[in-house]
Amino acid sequence: GAVVSQHPSRVICKSGTSVKIECRSLDFQATTMFWYRQFPKQSLMLMATSNEGSKATYEQGVEKDKFLINHASLTLSTLTVTSAHPEDSSFYICSARDARNTEAFFGQGTRLTVV
Amino acid sequence: GQNIDQPTEMTATEGAIVQINCTYQTSGFNGLFWYQQHAGEAPTFLSYNVLDGLEEKGRFSSFLSRSKGYSYLLLKELQMKDSASYLCATWGAAGNKLTFGGGTRVLVKP
Repeated sequence: GAVVSQHPSRVICKSGTSVKIECRSLDFQATTMFWYRQFPKQSLMLMATSNEGSKATYEQGVEKDKFLINHASLTLSTLTVTSAHPEDSSFYICSARDARNTEAFFGQGTRLTVV
Repeated sequence: GQNIDQPTEMTATEGAIVQINCTYQTSGFNGLFWYQQHAGEAPTFLSYNVLDGLEEKGRFSSFLSRSKGYSYLLLKELQMKDSASYLCATWGAAGNKLTFGGGTRVLVKP
């Protein structure tokens, strides 16, 4: 299957700072990327969907000014958690699909801890 | 919108068979996935069904009935390493959104 690389795998930051998470499709062009958040023992909750070159579509209840998503190229999307707080501590996972493939391929996930 | 239901937890014995059911209600449907997820890791793809029927892949099989909004994942010859969460997910209309159910934690006991 296709490879999606997510970086960093773990990050600890201080409350009030911003953190950027990168998601790259390594061997295909990702026309659509999805960002999920997962709290312990819960399932993946879709935060937003982004299509290359356009603004992301956020799910209800997700603050677009707090979770900035950029999908400037067909191989890279970034999620920036701005002014992070301890309640933002979670596992963030990206997935990507191309225009031909029905499957979505997942990155390795990023464990964010805000202290 | 999309609504996906699956049991929260299941326990089974090593070597046995377990069936995880998933029911869904979606405003559009473009296929159903099953993923396996071990704690602290990203989900890994198990199966994809878009037409009715059974898809078999080794010890894992997945079934879909679109008219009933129903799928199941069958795990045979259970091994200890199969202890994980199993996530049911559907593509919405135009394949523009992949939505997950709550996941089923399967515990395999010796």
